[in-house]
Amino acid sequence: AQSVTQLDSQVPVFEEAPVELRCNYSSSVSVYLFWYVQYPNQGLQLLLKYLSGSTLVKGINGFEAEFNKSQTSFHLRKPSVHISDTAEYFCAVIANAGGTSYGKLTFGQGTILTVHP
Amino acid sequence: DADVTQTPRNRITKTGKRIMLECSQTKGHDRMYWYRQDPGLGLRLIYYSFDVKDINKGEISDGYSVSRQAQAKFSLSLESAIPNQTALYFCATGKTGVNTGELFFGEGSRLTVL
Repeated sequence: AQSVTQLDSQVPVFEEAPVELRCNYSSSVSVYLFWYVQYPNQGLQLLLKYLSGSTLVKGINGFEAEFNKSQTSFHLRKPSVHISDTAEYFCAVIANAGGTSYGKLTFGQGTILTVHP
Repeated sequence: DADVTQTPRNRITKTGKRIMLECSQTKGHDRMYWYRQDPGLGLRLIYYSFDVKDINKGEISDGYSVSRQAQAKFSLSLESAIPNQTALYFCATGKTGVNTGELFFGEGSRLTVL
């Protein structure tokens, strides 16, 4: 089974500052990794995903994340945030077997990013 | 129109009442899920279905039941609602394969049990 820990429940930041949202995972098998974003009063939508290849993946709205296998981490970063980035962010993991995923997606507890003017 | 539609979007009910939340999708996906979201707890899986004849319990299935009426429809029922089932419920869909972890969510159904 997999588990996900998001190390910060809330991250306040000023507009145009950089931000990092931290995610660690635990798994006995290879995994695929995801970040989802939930804007106020909306459902979740995919921000970015790591399946294979380059460990630095880029997503929508200028976000990127780096897969670090040795540290079992998948931290999300943005060099300069906007007010519109205020949302809750979820890290998620699913097992990977032979190039296809199996089982169920496991979510972290979420990190609320609040961008102040 | 949304790809994943949940009804109702908001519902207030009383303890002991039966409630059904419905989900329909136009994405043609085989997998459908029901999640519950509570502040600070993230999303917890209630039930999931990999096809019409396959229904599985998630981590918090007690007090809930589901029905997969067709590939595109997956409903969640609370047979006798209780206050601690007050939460935001999400339906999601996905496709079997390498992108199984890529889910598409509805906009949520907010349920309040008094």
